[in-house]
Amino acid sequence: DAMVIQNPRYQVTQFGKPVTLSCSQTLNHNVMYWYQQKSSQAPKLLFHYYDKDFNNEADTPDNFQSRRPNTSFCFLDIRSPGLGDAAMYLCATSRGGRLNTEAFFGQGTRLTVV
Amino acid sequence: GDSVTQMEGPVTLSEEAFLTINCTYTATGYPSLFWYVQYPGEGLQLLLKATKADDKGSNKGFEATYRKETTSFHLEKGSVQVSDSAVYFCALGHQGGSEKLVFGKGTKLTVNP
Repeated sequence: DAMVIQNPRYQVTQFGKPVTLSCSQTLNHNVMYWYQQKSSQAPKLLFHYYDKDFNNEADTPDNFQSRRPNTSFCFLDIRSPGLGDAAMYLCATSRGGRLNTEAFFGQGTRLTVV
Repeated sequence: GDSVTQMEGPVTLSEEAFLTINCTYTATGYPSLFWYVQYPGEGLQLLLKATKADDKGSNKGFEATYRKETTSFHLEKGSVQVSDSAVYFCALGHQGGSEKLVFGKGTKLTVNP
């Protein structure tokens, strides 16, 4: 089945050690998003790509970066993880190009910082 | 800016009880409205959606009607099951020059046998 796949499901990283989370999609969607979700909170949009165009949210810290080498893959890089970056990171996709398309989410990667 | 307000949780019900989770929104233009469900340890799944005023979204016994006059999109189910225990998020999609979903804070539902 076409889907959004995130790897790994669980990631443990050391304080200050760079970490990369990955997302792939077989939906051929134009838009890919990264959300951060902390415990008992709503997902918070960090940034998204519309095709190759990167759109950063104004309040996303510089510590968070993203790459999209092709349509299918998108990466979230955390350059120097702090304890406050421990969260569930959700990747999502949507078709784009028309108003109000729904988003399809991966299962998420739970990041622990030790 | 756009925003979504959901009723505070958690909500605890007995099996076969009636469920309502309130959701209201503030947005410019004509957003689409969504309900997403998140089971423990999982990502979000689309439960239902409505793209214009008076549309009713429905899925798995859940329903919600897009009410523009009250800016609401309340989620209802006539008879909940234990398997419905999850966190429910109301969201709006508003293009506004970019593709974004704005989420409410979520409502945790626990259904007891």
